[in-house]
Amino acid sequence: GENVEQHPSTLSVQEGDSAVIKCTYSDSASNYFPWYKQELGKRPQLIIDIRSNVGEKKDQRIAVTLNKTAKHFSLHITETQPEDSAVYFCAASYQNTGFQKLVFGTGTRLLVSP
Amino acid sequence: EAGVAQSPRYKIIEKRQSVAFWCNPISGHATLYWYQQILGQGPKLLIQFQNNGVVDDSQLPKDRFSAERLKGVDSTLKIQPAKLEDSAVYLCASSSYMNTEAFFGQGTRLTVV
Repeated sequence: GENVEQHPSTLSVQEGDSAVIKCTYSDSASNYFPWYKQELGKRPQLIIDIRSNVGEKKDQRIAVTLNKTAKHFSLHITETQPEDSAVYFCAASYQNTGFQKLVFGTGTRLLVSP
Repeated sequence: EAGVAQSPRYKIIEKRQSVAFWCNPISGHATLYWYQQILGQGPKLLIQFQNNGVVDDSQLPKDRFSAERLKGVDSTLKIQPAKLEDSAVYLCASSSYMNTEAFFGQGTRLTVV
């Protein structure tokens, strides 16, 4: 089955700096890669996603890149703000007997210091 | 659009007791997921339903966990008997069709003592 690895587990940056979180996946059949943000005590919420037919996608200060050959994808946050502090999860979605299954990484705790 | 509803929000039980969680997905969403999130880890899929049929329960500890989704809408997840290592947040999520956003509920935080 699919296996998703995520690095780093924790990331501390100063406000205004950029942050990069990286994930690798094992199943070349995976074709949908969402990123979720989870604030303390709250539900995970989708912040951006990318499909396998696209190499890069950007939404204001966040962007995601995908390298299908290397089977890795990354989240980039520019001009970080304290409210970006949260745990970020990557996920990979692959076909399993005709249905999609979301497999999550272990998470990255991002701390943005003022 | 109403979100995914889960209850209860918190539950504390003693080991060997039983517990049940309830989930009401977003109206019209055919796919329903139950995830277990242990503190400091990513969500781990326990079971996935498509309408009222199970499509993946490979990581569900079937000797103690069970789940059902009657009529393809609401779902319940049960643990009987509970163990200390079952302490976690149980997240329910739903999606409308393949390759699209999964919406999560607030989760149920279970503490087994």
